[in-house]
Amino acid sequence: DIVMTQSPDSLAVSLGERATINCKSSQSVFHSSNNINYLTWYQQKPGQPPRLLIYWASTREYGVPDRFSGSGSGTDFTLTISSLQAEDVAVYYCHQYYSAPLSFGGGTKVEIK
Amino acid sequence: QVQLQQSGPGLVEPSQTLSLTCGISGDSVSSNSAAWNWIRQSPSGGLEWLGRTYYRSNWFFDYAVSVRGRMIINPDASKNQFSLLLNSVTPEDTAIYYCARISQATSAVWGRGTPVTVSS
Repeated sequence: DIVMTQSPDSLAVSLGERATINCKSSQSVFHSSNNINYLTWYQQKPGQPPRLLIYWASTREYGVPDRFSGSGSGTDFTLTISSLQAEDVAVYYCHQYYSAPLSFGGGTKVEIK
Repeated sequence: QVQLQQSGPGLVEPSQTLSLTCGISGDSVSSNSAAWNWIRQSPSGGLEWLGRTYYRSNWFFDYAVSVRGRMIINPDASKNQFSLLLNSVTPEDTAIYYCARISQATSAVWGRGTPVTVSS
């Protein structure tokens, strides 16, 4: 089974500053036949379902602001918010869908400093 | 545009069976490029994948170890929906339950979630 480990657990960043969240998988989620990493990032605000931000590790979902970006490959991934806005306060999760059982990271809570 | 509509009771008594349904619009439960999943989120906040079904000439099913033997996912092509049956529920099954289309070929789509409480 693939275990997803996120860091840090929580993060306080000033408005307009960069926020960086890391995610590490216990096994590679890279599919060499098509060069795709099956890694997704979600944003969740209180009382709402998770919102898809990034899929295939770095492809931004339609409608997601370009201050959100994903990078990494294999087992190490990063979600970056280039200039934190007040509406970005949320919990962020990484998720692997390379193989069953699918798995999620424990979440990173992003707050305003 | 793919949308998932969840339905089912919000309160289940201990030892009974939880039954939830996820209706699909904009895609087919028999799609050969999608998988139809159930995921839950406990009051403590973490996301737990429960299981999935997908069709690739035949129906396939995967379940999390934590619910294997207690959970069944039923796809219904005639109604274009899939359902979750979780038997012998306990208060530890109290959570928000989500259905989701998760595909390696495209982006994911989630339902709005159904809060379920297990209590007498």
